[in-house]
Amino acid sequence: QKEVEQNSGPLSVPEGAIASLNCTYSDRGSQSFFWYRQYSGKSPELIMFIYSNGDKEDGRFTAQLNKASQYVSLLIRDSQPSDSATYLCAVIDTGGFKTIFGAGTRLFVKA
Amino acid sequence: NAGVTQTPKFQVLKTGQSMTLQCAQDMNHNSMYWYRQDPGMGLRLIYYSASEGTTDKGEVPNGYNVSRLNKREFSLRLESAAPSQTSVYFCASSENRDTQYFGPGTRLTVL
Repeated sequence: QKEVEQNSGPLSVPEGAIASLNCTYSDRGSQSFFWYRQYSGKSPELIMFIYSNGDKEDGRFTAQLNKASQYVSLLIRDSQPSDSATYLCAVIDTGGFKTIFGAGTRLFVKA
Repeated sequence: NAGVTQTPKFQVLKTGQSMTLQCAQDMNHNSMYWYRQDPGMGLRLIYYSASEGTTDKGEVPNGYNVSRLNKREFSLRLESAAPSQTSVYFCASSENRDTQYFGPGTRLTVL
């Protein structure tokens, strides 16, 4: 059973701080990795994707990938109360057809 | 451009009743997916359709059937609903098995 593991949280950070969200995956052949944000009662929406080892930055968000350690992370700089949501890590499996989602980490940003 | 639409938004069924959840996308995507989301368990893939005319089982297909009616539409049918199928159901679509775009979800309660 291919798995994607996340700490369920909640992770609580003060406004303006850096929030660090982590994810590990079991399928060593995976090549595509995604972070989705889901507000309460809403559907998931893509924040970032990353395919190569290293860092990828987009505004206040940085995704980090380490394939050797099977580890993906998301850093949110200058966290805002509007960032309070559940963040889902997702990995496309080796076959390339199925996306495996983690259970998500709930983030609270305190004003 | 509506993206991914789902009907109905809410539904209450009695055990043993049947129903079909409808999903349509207007982004000309090849791949479509049905997920269920339960508290603490993240998104679990029920069925997917990699392209028009094909469907395959995901992680939790038991008790469900699907139809890829055409490139735009992908329906999910519950033949004999059970309380264990109480969940939020999301339809999603993607191009080339990449970023997924989600519909607003259907909240289903089976009594």
